[in-house]
Amino acid sequence: KAGVTQTPRYLIKTRGQQVTLSCSPISGHRSVSWYQQTPGQGLQFLFEYFSETQRNKGNFPGRFSGRQFSNSRSEMNVSTLELGDSALYLCASSLDGGRNTEAFFGQGTRLTVV
Amino acid sequence: DAKTTQPPSMDCAEGRAANLPCNHSTISGNEYVYWYRQIHSQGPQYIIHGLKNNETNEMASLIITEDRKSSTLILPHATLRDTAVYYCIVSEYGNKLVFGAGTILRVKS
Repeated sequence: KAGVTQTPRYLIKTRGQQVTLSCSPISGHRSVSWYQQTPGQGLQFLFEYFSETQRNKGNFPGRFSGRQFSNSRSEMNVSTLELGDSALYLCASSLDGGRNTEAFFGQGTRLTVV
Repeated sequence: DAKTTQPPSMDCAEGRAANLPCNHSTISGNEYVYWYRQIHSQGPQYIIHGLKNNETNEMASLIITEDRKSSTLILPHATLRDTAVYYCIVSEYGNKLVFGAGTILRVKS
């Protein structure tokens, strides 16, 4: 069974640009969450999507957005990139993201903003 | 903010059991205790989770105190490959996780 796939693995962007990251969950999983990991702030929850709807949201500015497609694949977008957005972005999938379920993480996309 | 308290680091001898403690004194009745680990810049790996009963799987055992205010993750025979950051998380939902700083476990030969 294939795991969670994130593309691309590495990305370099210029300040002010926008970026789109992709996540393909484990087959049959309908919940996808996104996390940002930086050395200073650690792992922080961005948002969760279930059945194409954002169900939970963390404390990030509106420049961070996402969506989920009918096949459960998800994308996250960061607009007007800032240097501080440089981070490892992780996606996690879960059967339904509800109680008593575990999440499986991808290897992440490392974004560098220059 | 994370709802758990873990020691910043621990050492363990290879082949011995690693016992990682976690305090979660404000845990609510609907919240589960989850353990994940992260090996240098890889995505976190799920280890185990439980509500109030002790749990065991092929990777580890989870011991939760009767009052549910603390728990211990036990890796029965630690190997060098178990060196990682271990995160204890309390959450009602399995895909909305609030990570703290975790415990750096160093397994030494």
